[in-house]
Amino acid sequence: GQQLNQSPQSMFIQEGEDVSMNCTSSSIFNTWLWYKQDPGEGPVLLIALYKAGELTSNGRLTAQFGITRKDSFLNISASIPSDVGIYFCAGPIYNAGNMLTFGGGTRLMVKP
Amino acid sequence: SAVISQKPSRDICQRGTSLTIQCQVDSQVTMMFWYRQQPGQSLTLIATANQGSEATYESGFVIDKFPISRPNLTFSTLTVSNMSPEDSSIYLCSAAGGQETQYFGPGTRLLVL
Repeated sequence: GQQLNQSPQSMFIQEGEDVSMNCTSSSIFNTWLWYKQDPGEGPVLLIALYKAGELTSNGRLTAQFGITRKDSFLNISASIPSDVGIYFCAGPIYNAGNMLTFGGGTRLMVKP
Repeated sequence: SAVISQKPSRDICQRGTSLTIQCQVDSQVTMMFWYRQQPGQSLTLIATANQGSEATYESGFVIDKFPISRPNLTFSTLTVSNMSPEDSSIYLCSAAGGQETQYFGPGTRLLVL
């Protein structure tokens, strides 16, 4: 099936450090989405990627669509306390319209 | 992007009772979805809420337990029926955006005693 494997599961970093997380699959995806879920809230879309090799930034966040179309990376530069939350990768299920499958999430904790 | 609201935001319920969660979108959308997120876990799709027809349920979820309504293009409800403590979870609705994206509501936090 189209499962997404996300790593690491959790990270505990110092404020100001850069963060990198990734998402891999044995299946090809034509779209990669990255969401952030703040504590007590629903997921919010951060970045959407639609082309292999694409590199897209949103402020301090940068995400890349892997050339093989089987992976994607999210980097956060100069982390701040409000970066705390769970980051999910997601991709559309093949031939299922707008249905998405989600990775297991990366829980980020930032120490001031 | 769509703005989505959910009611209630949280509830504590007794086992054996039912709770209906409402989801309102600020614009007409073709597809709406309901997810469950158990503590510390990722999102699991319960069903796709279809306007004008029965919802499409994912494996492991049935209509008798999770009846869904979709009376129009901006509103849907999910009922969690005959609740047990195992139903304690966050329930999220989402709406399809453009280009294969989805936008999520804030979630309903349910605790079943």
